[in-house]
Amino acid sequence: EAQVTQNPRYLITVTGKKLTVTCSQNMNHEYMSWYRQDPGLGLRQIYYSMNVEVTDKGDVPEGYKVSRKEKRNFPLILESPSPNQTSLYFCASSFSGFSLLYFGEGSWLTVV
Amino acid sequence: AQRVTQPEKLLSVFKGAPVELKCNYSYSGSPELFWYVQYSRQRLQLLLRHISRESIKGFTADLNKGETSFHLKKPFAQEEDSAMYYCALRLQGAQKLVFGQGTRLTINP
Repeated sequence: EAQVTQNPRYLITVTGKKLTVTCSQNMNHEYMSWYRQDPGLGLRQIYYSMNVEVTDKGDVPEGYKVSRKEKRNFPLILESPSPNQTSLYFCASSFSGFSLLYFGEGSWLTVV
Repeated sequence: AQRVTQPEKLLSVFKGAPVELKCNYSYSGSPELFWYVQYSRQRLQLLLRHISRESIKGFTADLNKGETSFHLKKPFAQEEDSAMYYCALRLQGAQKLVFGQGTRLTINP
C-alpha cells in the first residue's frame, strides 16, 4: 500500500532532550516536506527536500533540522526541544512538485 | 505576504442542505488552488484542485480571480462529509503549499 509513515505518533518529552521524528514513503517520491499544524494557524512548512541531499528551509525552520540521505526517508530532528514546539507535525511527499501531497498520519508532540 | 483565509473555523449544516466553505487568497500571480480534507482518524488528503475542474464526492470549487476566491460547494450535504477542510495555495514556482486555517464542517442528521 502506498503511504507515508511517521513515527512516533504520540510523544511527550522534556525541554532540551533531543528527539527525532521519522518519516518514510514507499512511493519513490522525490519531494518531501514537513509541516506543523497549530490552532488558528493552519499548516506551516518547516523544511522541504527536492531530492536526496537537497533540503531547504520553509516558513518556520527555527529549532529544527532535517536530513535526506535516502530518497524514502526524511527525518525531522529537534536538537533541543522547547515548549513552543508542542504541535502536530505532518510529513508529506509528492511525485510532481509540491502540489499533490500525500500526508502521513501526523505526530503529536508535547514538550514540557 | 501571500495568504489563504478561511473565515469560518466551524460550519454546521443539516443533512441535505447546501454547503459552502469559503476560501479567499491574496496573490497577484497565477495561483494553483486546492482543497484538502481530513476525515476523523484519517490523514489529510487531496479533495480537488482547480486545474482539474472536476467534481469529487459531489464537491466543486471554482476559481474566481476577480474576487480571489476558491469556495468549496456541495448542493446536498451528507453526514460523511463531516471533516476538517483546508484550502491551500501554491505560488508559481514555489516549493510549498500555503494553507488556510481550516474549517471544521459538521453535518447534522
